[in-house]
Amino acid sequence: AQSVTQPDIHITVSEGASLELRCNYSYGATPYLFWYVQSPGQGLQLLLKYFSGDTLVQGIKGFEAEFKRSQSSFNLRKPSVHWSDAAEYFCAVGSMNRDDKIIFGKGTRLHILP
Amino acid sequence: DTGVSQDPRHKITKRGQNVTFRCDPISEHNRLYWYRQTLGQGPEFLTYFQNEAQLEKSRLLSDRFSAERPKGSFSTLEIQRTEQGDSAMYLCASSLVPDTQYFGPGTRLTVL
Repeated sequence: AQSVTQPDIHITVSEGASLELRCNYSYGATPYLFWYVQSPGQGLQLLLKYFSGDTLVQGIKGFEAEFKRSQSSFNLRKPSVHWSDAAEYFCAVGSMNRDDKIIFGKGTRLHILP
Repeated sequence: DTGVSQDPRHKITKRGQNVTFRCDPISEHNRLYWYRQTLGQGPEFLTYFQNEAQLEKSRLLSDRFSAERPKGSFSTLEIQRTEQGDSAMYLCASSLVPDTQYFGPGTRLTVL
């Protein structure tokens, strides 16, 4: 069965510091992978997605993620965080074969220290 | 592109009442999805439409839940005889192609 694990429920970093949010997935075939961000009271915004090709994917707001098949991981990174990056981040996996369903992880809440 | 809109944004109801939510997708998006998000969890898939056809329903969607998309444009999600466990954020998303879903702001339901 498809599943997504985000091992960190909360992460706190100082403004200007680098960030890495972890994501591991379980999927029987080549997955389609996503990172979404959700600010309080808002819907989800797509940061980036991976379907195939280059395993390092660039997204919006200066985020990037790297697909590592051998580790079943798709970690999100940003070299220097801004206070406005404080939000909840969701990793997700989809099949896009039989259905368009996306399976989300439980999320990682990012806190930024001034 | 006006984005996905949902109405209402908040709904407070008493247990046993029926509620209906509306989702307006991005125009010309033929796929529409409903998800439920409870506190501390990621969104969970409920159902999805391609045009007016409802192609998949999650086991989370009990008999009290029904979704429609009568003309392949907007969609409604109705919950009958609401229970406290139905309290959640209900998210709608739409897409033109399967690879990218655009989410609305959600409807937060509180069942007292």
